[in-house]
Amino acid sequence: TQLLEQSPQFLSIQEGENLTVYCNSSSVFSSLQWYRQEPGEGPVLLVTVVTGGEVKKLKRLTFQFGDARKDSSLHITAAQPGDTGLYLCAGNAGDYKLSFGAGTTVTVRA
Amino acid sequence: GAVVSQHPSRVICKSGTSVKIECRSLDFQATTMFWYRQFPKQSLMLMATSNEGSKATYEQGVEKDKFLINHASLTLSTLTVTSAHPEDSSFYICSPRTSGSTDTQYFGPGTRLTVL
Repeated sequence: TQLLEQSPQFLSIQEGENLTVYCNSSSVFSSLQWYRQEPGEGPVLLVTVVTGGEVKKLKRLTFQFGDARKDSSLHITAAQPGDTGLYLCAGNAGDYKLSFGAGTTVTVRA
Repeated sequence: GAVVSQHPSRVICKSGTSVKIECRSLDFQATTMFWYRQFPKQSLMLMATSNEGSKATYEQGVEKDKFLINHASLTLSTLTVTSAHPEDSSFYICSPRTSGSTDTQYFGPGTRLTVL
């Protein structure tokens, strides 16, 4: 069983639409990261959130960390084809090992 | 950002042979190295954790005699898949972590292993 549950598993939208990916757990994390991975490449870090209730913005991407530090969301505004990829959330429960969610495959159609 | 390299990026080998994958941190020292495996359309699964100069700690279900990990220096770690079989075909990703960092790991570009 995955420590982190990501939803949805797949998301296909038209260019210009908005999308939200969710990452939920029953465990508390000292920090949570979001990564984007393209086929044949390693994950690339997008953001790290550490404070409950924290909101971080990275251009059209908005990341939220739940107040209880058990869940997070990634919202993309006006998605573009370049946003296509596998989005992964990963949490650190305090033992320096990252636990990854199953990933959300996002496809943005032109 | 930090630079991590993996070599080779792709390798095809015959069943029964051994394959060594190198991971280098080019501009920082990695006191801890994580090795992950990723099957198609799946997430990353941690295989083992190693600290420089120490034996690796393997996750449950990962055979330590089959996946040999060496972390001899702060900039180089290797993963050797011994007597590879087709079911070992996967995408292997190293992930070095610096000492004193705040829970941020860097990831290598990955190595695609195909065992025929």
